[in-house]
Amino acid sequence: NAGVTQTPKFRVLKTGQSMTLLCAQDMNHEYMYWYRQDPGMGLRLIHYSVGEGTTAKGEVPDGYNVSRLKKQNFLLGLESAAPSQTSVYFCASTLWAGGYTEAFFGQGTRLTVV
Amino acid sequence: DAKTTQPNSMESNEEEPVHLPCNHSTISGTDYIHWYRQLPSQGPEYVIHGLTSNVNNRMASLAIAEDRKSSTLILHRATLRDAAVYYCILRDAGNMLTFGGGTRLMVKP
Repeated sequence: NAGVTQTPKFRVLKTGQSMTLLCAQDMNHEYMYWYRQDPGMGLRLIHYSVGEGTTAKGEVPDGYNVSRLKKQNFLLGLESAAPSQTSVYFCASTLWAGGYTEAFFGQGTRLTVV
Repeated sequence: DAKTTQPNSMESNEEEPVHLPCNHSTISGTDYIHWYRQLPSQGPEYVIHGLTSNVNNRMASLAIAEDRKSSTLILHRATLRDAAVYYCILRDAGNMLTFGGGTRLMVKP
């Protein structure tokens, strides 16, 4: 049971390039989340999904797009990377939205935009 | 989402108990209190959660005030591996999972 897996673990992009981060979970969870964490800061929610085919904006959605075509996968896209998007990105999943459900996190993707 | 307030940092000695406080004065009746921790260079991991009663698990204990406006995460014997950032979060039936700044716990040998 792998839990939540993020691909890739590290990436360096040039300004203006595009890329897609993949989050995969094998726990049949309905809810999935993408966060970014800047140095010395807490996690900020970018986008989230409450089920296959649905997505919604979080606190800091600008410059990112997401898709949830399959229940187990949640993709985060950067169409035109900017240095301000240099950060560590974390994916999480929960079974439901209920307050009693715990969240499982991936190990993170460290992205540097030069 | 209701907000939580935590001290920025705390220090503890190894093998001593640690009490990490969290204030959540605007908590609603349906909010669960969750704690997560983030070890260096890792993703957050679940520690414990509760609604009204105190809770114990293999990692920690959660003490919830009678009025639910505050809670305390208790690590019974801190080890060097417990050095991490600890996040107190309120979760209800809503969709978002929102993190605050957390408390950085430093454990001295």
